[in-house]
Amino acid sequence: SQQGEEDPQALSIQEGENATMNCSYKTSINNLQWYRQNSGRGLVHLILIRSNEREKHSGRLRVTLDTSKKSSSLLITASRAADTASYFCATPLYNQGGKLIFGQGTELSVKP
Amino acid sequence: GAVVSQHPSWVICKSGTSVKIECRSLDFQATTMFWYRQFPKQSLMLMATSNEGSKATYEQGVEKDKFLINHASLTLSTLTVTSAHPEDSSFYICSATGQGVNSPLHFGNGTRLTVT
Repeated sequence: SQQGEEDPQALSIQEGENATMNCSYKTSINNLQWYRQNSGRGLVHLILIRSNEREKHSGRLRVTLDTSKKSSSLLITASRAADTASYFCATPLYNQGGKLIFGQGTELSVKP
Repeated sequence: GAVVSQHPSWVICKSGTSVKIECRSLDFQATTMFWYRQFPKQSLMLMATSNEGSKATYEQGVEKDKFLINHASLTLSTLTVTSAHPEDSSFYICSATGQGVNSPLHFGNGTRLTVT
């Protein structure tokens, strides 16, 4: 079964608006990762937040992690049409050599 | 950055034939690679873990005789879909991990398999 659950499943916004996606997970983690997938393509790693970190920034991306609630959020600020993609959170299984379990994903559509 | 090349990007085959998908790490050595399967509008489902020089580890419910994995070198893993059927049509994605517990996965661009 999937480790993570994400919401919303789909999100449609206008260019310039912010997009927030949430992810919940079930087990203890060393880190949580966010990936982006353009339609019909592989995944691109966006950001990794370690279990002892609460917030991390990368450009227009901001990720938070609340280990007490087993949840994370990805915020994309000032969205662009090119941000249209599916976004997945993923958590590594403990002691299994980098094996990642992915959430269900959020399909983001940014309208110009 | 680390690059993973997956080939072919798409393939159409007839029922009963076998298809081989290659996954190469271009600028780093990957002792472990992962194979995922993705249905339209769904998440990635881990199929198996490919270990260089040893047998692959398959996830529950994945037929190892159906999906043959070979990881003969530190830069190449292959997935062969044997005796393909239309229900095997899917998007297959490989990935490789860097060193360390906090290393992200590097993904290939995926292979769209259509079995007619």
